[in-house]
Amino acid sequence: AQKITQTQPGMFVQEKEAVTLDCTYDTSDPSYGLFWYKQPSSGEMIFLIYQGSYDQQNATEGRYSLNFQKARKSANLVISASQLGDSAMYFCAMREANSGGSNYKLTFGKGTLLTVNP
Amino acid sequence: DTEVTQTPKHLVMGMTNKKSLKCEQHMGHRAMYWYKQKAKKPPELMFVYSYEKLSINESVPSRFSPECPNSSLLNLHLHALQPEDSALYLCASSPHPNRDEQFFGPGTRLTVL
Repeated sequence: AQKITQTQPGMFVQEKEAVTLDCTYDTSDPSYGLFWYKQPSSGEMIFLIYQGSYDQQNATEGRYSLNFQKARKSANLVISASQLGDSAMYFCAMREANSGGSNYKLTFGKGTLLTVNP
Repeated sequence: DTEVTQTPKHLVMGMTNKKSLKCEQHMGHRAMYWYKQKAKKPPELMFVYSYEKLSINESVPSRFSPECPNSSLLNLHLHALQPEDSALYLCASSPHPNRDEQFFGPGTRLTVL
């Protein structure tokens, strides 16, 4: 079963507007972490923001904020004041323990390709 | 130094060749990772090294052989690859293996002829 679901294969936004990228997850582990990464066409994965399952407040990092709704198992990324350089693939990822509980791995969603229009 | 470096950036090899990918970080991170990413797909974990010991092998074929000579260096040795192994190979590191964000290198684009 897919553990990270990103339902938007592609999104378009006008420069300077805000955009929300959706992410839902599935886990039975009470301790987990959620991450968002940006991948430009050059290929490098750039860490954007992190939310821990026990964090009481939504994470924010500059123009990025994470709308964490634990009961709904969603962790949407909000980008405010979009810039042309924000055009990239965005991946939501979840860190959880492996079956033995001694190691942790990241599982990525399929990604959302964001295009910022001038 | 706050980055993960990978060499080479591009690699073309034949199915009978032996080559190696190199990854280096000088941030004192104790966990290092290899991912494989096919075009238009998310990265898939291959291996995890935790404190220089292999802790996760995601059932990767033996033609891929990882090595962690020291805490700053991670290699991926390639032998007898298939054309379907062509992909972007990403290395990442994190301060600890069971928490913290992973920092990725720019990747090596591998083409197997």
